[in-house]
Amino acid sequence: EDQVTQSPEALRLQEGESSSLNCSYTVSGLRGLFWYRQDPGKGPEFLFTLYSAGEEKEKERLKATLTKKESFLHITAPKPEDSATYLCAVFSGGYNKLIFGAGTRLAVHP
Amino acid sequence: DAEITQSPRHKITETGRQVTLACHQTWNHNNMFWYRQDLGHGLRLIHYSYGVQDTNKGEVSDGYSVSRSNTEDLPLTLESAASSQTSVYFCASSEWGLAVNEQFFGPGTRLTVL
Repeated sequence: EDQVTQSPEALRLQEGESSSLNCSYTVSGLRGLFWYRQDPGKGPEFLFTLYSAGEEKEKERLKATLTKKESFLHITAPKPEDSATYLCAVFSGGYNKLIFGAGTRLAVHP
Repeated sequence: DAEITQSPRHKITETGRQVTLACHQTWNHNNMFWYRQDLGHGLRLIHYSYGVQDTNKGEVSDGYSVSRSNTEDLPLTLESAASSQTSVYFCASSEWGLAVNEQFFGPGTRLTVL
């Protein structure tokens, strides 16, 4: 069965303390892995798409990487405004749909 | 700017009533999706459409229906609302293409069924 697992469930960082969020997946025929940011009371906001192992994407303090079994979202020198829930999703070619993980709640404190 | 909107943003209804949630996008995207988000489950797909007159069931479609009469709108109907359908509902759209494209989400509708 296709599955996406994100860890940790919650992460508390001090401002400037770099860290990584993990997204592990088992899927039949990966056709894309997506990272989203979700603020409380809002819809998910698209961040990155990764299509193949070894691919990397960067945006400001965020960098996403992809291997054959997992993806990492690296956050460098985070700021309080980076606090949000980060969602990972994979598009399964077998089921032809997007499968979401439960998310990682990130809190960055000054 | 292109956008995707949902209405109402909040809705309280009673068990057994029919409820329709609206979704409108101005991206001119062919693909549209409805998800529900519940604590501990993440986002789960309810129904989706790849174009006008096309609709498909997702993993949690029981008790829900959709229809697609134009490119811009995909209303979601709860035929007879149940307390288990209390949730936050998100509509999304994406561009059709050979590669799988990112989905853009609306702001959500918080539905409470009493």
